[in-house]
Amino acid sequence: EAGVTQSPRYAVLQEGQAVSFWCDPISGHDTLYWYQQPRDQGPQLLVYFRDEAVIDNSQLPSDRFSAVRPKGTNSTLKIQSAKQGDTATYLCASSSTGGALEQYFGPGTRLTVL
Amino acid sequence: GDSVTQTEGQVALSEEDFLTIHCNYSASGYPALFWYVQYPGEGPQFLFRASRDKEKGSSRGFEATYDKGTTSFHLRKASVQESDSAVYYCALGRSNMGYKLTFGTGTSLLVDP
Repeated sequence: EAGVTQSPRYAVLQEGQAVSFWCDPISGHDTLYWYQQPRDQGPQLLVYFRDEAVIDNSQLPSDRFSAVRPKGTNSTLKIQSAKQGDTATYLCASSSTGGALEQYFGPGTRLTVL
Repeated sequence: GDSVTQTEGQVALSEEDFLTIHCNYSASGYPALFWYVQYPGEGPQFLFRASRDKEKGSSRGFEATYDKGTTSFHLRKASVQESDSAVYYCALGRSNMGYKLTFGTGTSLLVDP
């Protein structure tokens, strides 16, 4: 069974540039999560979806961050105008509500904003 | 709000030593408690979870017991190996059409051969 796939693996931007991260969850997993993990810290939930619906986006900086999952499978997280404080690894995870609810994480995208 | 505290930022041991990593939480009700492990360049991997008071979770020789009285979920292993070197995260989960996880700051374990 293929794991969670993320791309790109690395991104380097100047402040003010936009960037998109893409996630392909495990096949059959209906719930998809996006986390931000600053260096030497634990992951912090940004947003999560059940199928195509947003369940919780209360921690997503809505003025610059957006996330979609239009067909309930793949998902895209976008930063409209990146800031140095956005430097972090962005992790995608998925889980199945029909299973044991453990979240399976992808390898992440390491973002550096100069 | 919910929070998780891991008091040890780094732990250095030798092979076959006993491991304890402390995890305390602050939350109302009965959240689920989790341990995850993260290796360099990878996302966190699920180790195990416990969902109710006095329940023990275990995997790969690691174990922890949910203790609501002391609000703790300490990770233990009787004999560590060099391959256990990684960052360990305690997390608290709330069920709402999935699990909303709140992670601790992590404990970096280094095991010398």
